[in-house]
Amino acid sequence: GAVVSQHPSRVICKSGTSVKIECRSLDFQATTMFWYRQFPKQSLMLMATSNEGSKATYEQGVEKDKFLINHASLTLSTLTVTSAHPEDSSFYICSARTTTSGTGYSLNEKLFFGSGTQLSVL
Amino acid sequence: RKEVEQDPGPFNVPEGATVAFNCTYSNSASQSFFWYRQDCRKEPKLLMSVYSSGNEDGRFTAQLNRASQYISLLIRDSKLSDSATYLCVVNGSGGSYIPTFGRGTSLIVHP
Repeated sequence: GAVVSQHPSRVICKSGTSVKIECRSLDFQATTMFWYRQFPKQSLMLMATSNEGSKATYEQGVEKDKFLINHASLTLSTLTVTSAHPEDSSFYICSARTTTSGTGYSLNEKLFFGSGTQLSVL
Repeated sequence: RKEVEQDPGPFNVPEGATVAFNCTYSNSASQSFFWYRQDCRKEPKLLMSVYSSGNEDGRFTAQLNRASQYISLLIRDSKLSDSATYLCVVNGSGGSYIPTFGRGTSLIVHP
């Protein structure tokens, strides 16, 4: 099955540090990448949607200057948490979706998830 | 009202029990539905898609009720390994192709 590789799996950093999280689709082209954040015992909260070659679309309340998303190729998307603070500590996870050829998205397409990144900001 | 709502639980059941979860969605235009399973601090994994006709996979049965706008997941003969959080995902709300997650229902199966 399709695999999304997410790195790093865990980051512990000092406040003010910028942290970069990578998601790579290993055997398919990820036209769309979703970035989620999950606090303990909470649901996955969509942060942004990125399409290859275009600017990401951020959800309301998510600062685009703080959470920089780059989706420069069909196999790589990155999320950079700039100047991280303790309140940014969370589980960050990406998921990828492919397009069906010619007809756009199929609503029955499954999501392929990265393994997640646990960010702890001291 | 949230787009996708689930009872967070936890549902605490003995091995062998049958347990059912519901998930309600607010947008009647929603097109596709899924149940995912998430273990603590792991990525969600697809458990099953949910079709109008209902579908069954071993001990798991999923059903969709469009009139009442909910989906359900039934687990029979619960195993200890079924302990996890079960996430409901709704796709295609209002023409959007962005999947929306419920907050998940926690299941604890004890000996």
